[in-house]
Amino acid sequence: GIQVEQSPPDLILQEGANSTLRCNFSDSVNNLQWFHQNPWGQLINLFYIPSGTKQNGRLSATTVATERYSLLYISSSQTTDSGVYFCAALNQGGKLIFGQGTELSVKP
Amino acid sequence: DTGVSQDPRHKITKRGQNVTFRCDPISEHNRLYWYRQTLGQGPEFLTYFQNEAQLEKSRLLSDRFSAERPKGSFSTLEIQRTEQGDSAMYLCASSSEQGVINYGYTFGSGTRLTVV
Repeated sequence: GIQVEQSPPDLILQEGANSTLRCNFSDSVNNLQWFHQNPWGQLINLFYIPSGTKQNGRLSATTVATERYSLLYISSSQTTDSGVYFCAALNQGGKLIFGQGTELSVKP
Repeated sequence: DTGVSQDPRHKITKRGQNVTFRCDPISEHNRLYWYRQTLGQGPEFLTYFQNEAQLEKSRLLSDRFSAERPKGSFSTLEIQRTEQGDSAMYLCASSSEQGVINYGYTFGSGTRLTVV
């Protein structure tokens, strides 16, 4: 099955800094989702992005499907951005396969 | 209907007891998924339903686990004879069959199980 790998596993930023999170996947996928898991465990949808680039405020994501990777950019980070970021690939059977996550900590 | 609802939010149980969790999906979604997440890991697929039919079960779903979706609406996940290794966050998600590619999954807030 599809393998999803995320890097880095942990990231510490000073408030206001920019960051890039990476997601590699081992096979072609129907779609790719980025989630932010808040401290209470809720998975919040950020992007559905099988290819191309999308932007939403300070966040943007780019997926290069032919090279099997996706990037999540966070600009001007805030303390409320802290948490775990997951990417998940939708396989041919419609099942989401998650990576191990990147734990982001933004310091004031 | 504003999203996927899960109940309870937290459950503490003694080893050997049975527990049951409930998930109410978004009403127009015909697909419902259960995932399990242990500390420091990403969510792992357990099982999914399309309407009332359970179409796939993971090897993670041992004989002590059973899931139902009797009327194609809400679902229950039961764990019998709980073990400490069952302690985890149990996440439910829903999607429509047609929309899963374009819109993905919507997750509930999860049920955090602690087995003592």
